[in-house]
Amino acid sequence: DARVTQTPRHKVTEMGQEVTMRCQPILGHNTVFWYRQTMMQGLELLAYFRNRAPLDDSGMPKDRFSAEMPDATLATLKIQPSEPRDSAVYFCASGPGVAGGQDTQYFGPGTRLTVL
Amino acid sequence: AQKVTQAQTEISVVEKEDVTLDCVYETRDTTYYLFWYKQPPSGELVFLIRRNSFDEQNEISGRYSWNFQKSTSSFNFTITASQVVDSAVYFCALSKGNNFNKFYFGSGTKLNVKP
Repeated sequence: DARVTQTPRHKVTEMGQEVTMRCQPILGHNTVFWYRQTMMQGLELLAYFRNRAPLDDSGMPKDRFSAEMPDATLATLKIQPSEPRDSAVYFCASGPGVAGGQDTQYFGPGTRLTVL
Repeated sequence: AQKVTQAQTEISVVEKEDVTLDCVYETRDTTYYLFWYKQPPSGELVFLIRRNSFDEQNEISGRYSWNFQKSTSSFNFTITASQVVDSAVYFCALSKGNNFNKFYFGSGTKLNVKP
């Protein structure tokens, strides 16, 4: 049963520290998405990759957030420096890259980030 | 502009009751896709169903059924004979019929099924 994996599952850090979250998409999937979920904002799209190339990161605070795909099996989301308002659950999702908008996204278990 | 509205913030039912979760969408596109996801207390979003805008047939999968009506721009989800394990937050999402694959999520409906 192929699944998206994310590490760490939980992270508690202090304001100003760097945080790196990792995601392993389902093997063979070529689209990867990063979302942030909070009670106030719901699910927000932060970044989107296709074939490892970033297609959209307009939802991401550019000054402190960065997203990369060093290879097809790893996506990273980094926050530097972290702030308390970054506390949220961060989800990674991957899709098979079916054309025409019908690409189903499969979500990982999320990383629950708490910034003190 | 694309928009998905889930007006029911929270619903509580007693086990074995039927429950319908509403989803209303807005789009000017003629080709689009609609999705439902379940987020149980464990937190992971689980894919339930995808429908395309050209297929208005209702779909049934066990106790789950979906009613897609383009005339009212709705894609409602019904759980028959609800069970405690159905307790979760349910999200409806819309994807445009292009290659961008961006999802427009509703705000979610929290379903509480009480024994």
